[in-house]
Amino acid sequence: ILNVEQSPQSLHVQEGDSTNFTCSFPSSNFYALHWYRWETAKSPEALFVMTLNGDEKKKGRISATLNTKEGYSYLYIKGSQPEDSATYLCAYWGDSNYQLIWGAGTKLIIKP
Amino acid sequence: DAGITQSPRHKVTETGTPVTLRCHQTENHRYMYWYRQDPGHGLRLIHYSYGVKDTDKGEVSDGYSVSRSKTEDFLLTLESATSSQTSVYFCAIRRDSYYEQYFGPGTRLTVT
Repeated sequence: ILNVEQSPQSLHVQEGDSTNFTCSFPSSNFYALHWYRWETAKSPEALFVMTLNGDEKKKGRISATLNTKEGYSYLYIKGSQPEDSATYLCAYWGDSNYQLIWGAGTKLIIKP
Repeated sequence: DAGITQSPRHKVTETGTPVTLRCHQTENHRYMYWYRQDPGHGLRLIHYSYGVKDTDKGEVSDGYSVSRSKTEDFLLTLESATSSQTSVYFCAIRRDSYYEQYFGPGTRLTVT
């Protein structure tokens, strides 16, 4: 059974602080790791797709790293702003079937 | 915008009635997915399709059926709606390699 774990489940961060959270996934048969941002009452939106061990991706104040050998990825947010409040999902593609395996998400709440 | 629409956007129905949700895409993608949003679980896959008339079950397929008679439309049917099927339903397409998915706006279904 393939499992994708995200921690913490929820996180309260003061505006202006930086934060990070984790996605753990199986390290075997790895193809890609995805991060999505999901705002309340909206649809999930793709942030990053990472495929190679050591990959780092950045979009504005948000960045992600990937370690496929040990099976984890970190998402970092620098200088959190209220608009960063959302649930951040990771999803793993690890074999030849047609579906992503999703984590349950980290809910980030930025306190002004 | 991946050209995905869902209809209806909101629906209230009674227990025991059949309900069909429609997902429509304009970009001719082969792979389409139906998810439901569940607190504590994030997104859970109901069914997916990898081509016209080619569908398969996801992790929460009981009580749901799907059909795909043409590339652009993927229908999700609740044969006899139950209160446990109250949820927000998202359709998604897989656009390119690495399984990156793009989501429709969602359908909020309430079963009373």
